[in-house]
Amino acid sequence: KQEVTQIPAALSVPEGENLVLNCSFTDSAIYNLQWFRQDPGKGLTSLLLIQSSQREQTSGRLNASLDKSSGRSTLYIAASQPGDSATYLCAVPSYGGSQGNLIFGKGTKLSVKP
Amino acid sequence: GAGVSQSPSNKVTEKGKDVELRCDPISGHTALYWYRQSLGQGLEFLIYFQGNSAPDKSGLPSDRFSAERTGGSVSTLTIQRTQQEDSAVYLCASSLTSDTQYFGPGTRLTVL
Repeated sequence: KQEVTQIPAALSVPEGENLVLNCSFTDSAIYNLQWFRQDPGKGLTSLLLIQSSQREQTSGRLNASLDKSSGRSTLYIAASQPGDSATYLCAVPSYGGSQGNLIFGKGTKLSVKP
Repeated sequence: GAGVSQSPSNKVTEKGKDVELRCDPISGHTALYWYRQSLGQGLEFLIYFQGNSAPDKSGLPSDRFSAERTGGSVSTLTIQRTQQEDSAVYLCASSLTSDTQYFGPGTRLTVL
């Protein structure tokens, strides 16, 4: 059974710092991995999706990497800003296929202090 | 364009009452998902609709929970005889054949 773990559970950094959020999964036979952002009281916003054949994806100040063999992904945020404060979730498809429900980690709550 | 919408945004009900939660997916999306997010818990899968196929109900926690998707578009999640442990945020998502799931803002359900 696939399990997704995220560490740390919470992180507080001063504005301007570069930071790394970690995600690990127990079954390496994943089709893709997705990173989401959730603001308080809101739904989820997709940030990056990495296919199993890719090693990384970049969007602006965000860079996500994937190491299937070790069951790990990282989300790198450069030059953090107070507006980056949110909970970040990673997720993988449950059946190893391209569609179907996602299995989520419990998230990392990020606070960026001005 | 319009994203996934859900209604109501908040619902307060008494224990034992039935509730219906609605999800309007992005137009043309063939797949629709329901998840639940309880306080302090991660997101939990409930049910998945794909086109005209039979839904995957493997995540429904009890037979008090059911869902329909009419005409391949709007979906309704029904919880019968609500219990306090049903209190959570219920999130709906939709997707095309591409992999990204797009989430709605959720319905916050409080059972008193």
